[in-house]
Amino acid sequence: QSALTQPRSVSGSPGQSVAISCTGTSSDVGGYNYVSWYQQHPGKAPKLIIYEVTKRPSGVPDRFSGSKSGNTASLTISGLQAEDEADYYCCSYAGSYTLVFGGGTKLTVL
Amino acid sequence: EVQLVESGGGLVQPGGSLRLSCAASGFTFSKSWMTWVRQAPGKGLEWVANIKEDGSDKYYVDSVEGRFTISRDNAKNSLYLQMSSLRAEDTAVYYCTNWGNTWGFDYWGQGTLVTVSS
Repeated sequence: QSALTQPRSVSGSPGQSVAISCTGTSSDVGGYNYVSWYQQHPGKAPKLIIYEVTKRPSGVPDRFSGSKSGNTASLTISGLQAEDEADYYCCSYAGSYTLVFGGGTKLTVL
Repeated sequence: EVQLVESGGGLVQPGGSLRLSCAASGFTFSKSWMTWVRQAPGKGLEWVANIKEDGSDKYYVDSVEGRFTISRDNAKNSLYLQMSSLRAEDTAVYYCTNWGNTWGFDYWGQGTLVTVSS
């Protein structure tokens, strides 16, 4: 049950694209297509923005996209906007009805 | 509208106990896996425990196994977390969330703060 590895911070200018990686093992990220991503603004509850690696819940802009290769999943945000500045967390199913989160990435919009 | 409302947080001494509650509405609670997720001050999210729809199966992160018990009352649309032998490292905001058909956490409460300190 070790946390997934995410960069501590990323940044980009409005209109640019940024990618956030999430590295696990073959027992979690690499073993299942059940990676989800969450956006959390300061003082707020997390919000689901990507599930099952690539799918977006209703209402989430298509600027947010997910992918996975081997043991690493990625969240890409294109056309950065000021309101995208937040913390982002990945989460993966790890078998036996357990889950594991990443350490979180702070996105700064310059 | 889906609502998850946590309560029961507060200040407790190391070694003490606390029971968190979560009142659910706006979705079919009895058909949903439910989960507790916590976040220590200034830190990341941590999955704590899951409970199956009918309460028959429960799963925990290693660090709380044997100290925390997740339970539910489907007649009251309520989720609980009984915490005992509390440690300073259990200090966190505890969120109630559902583990939905998306294999993600669709809905979240506002969280309740638990502080373990003497």
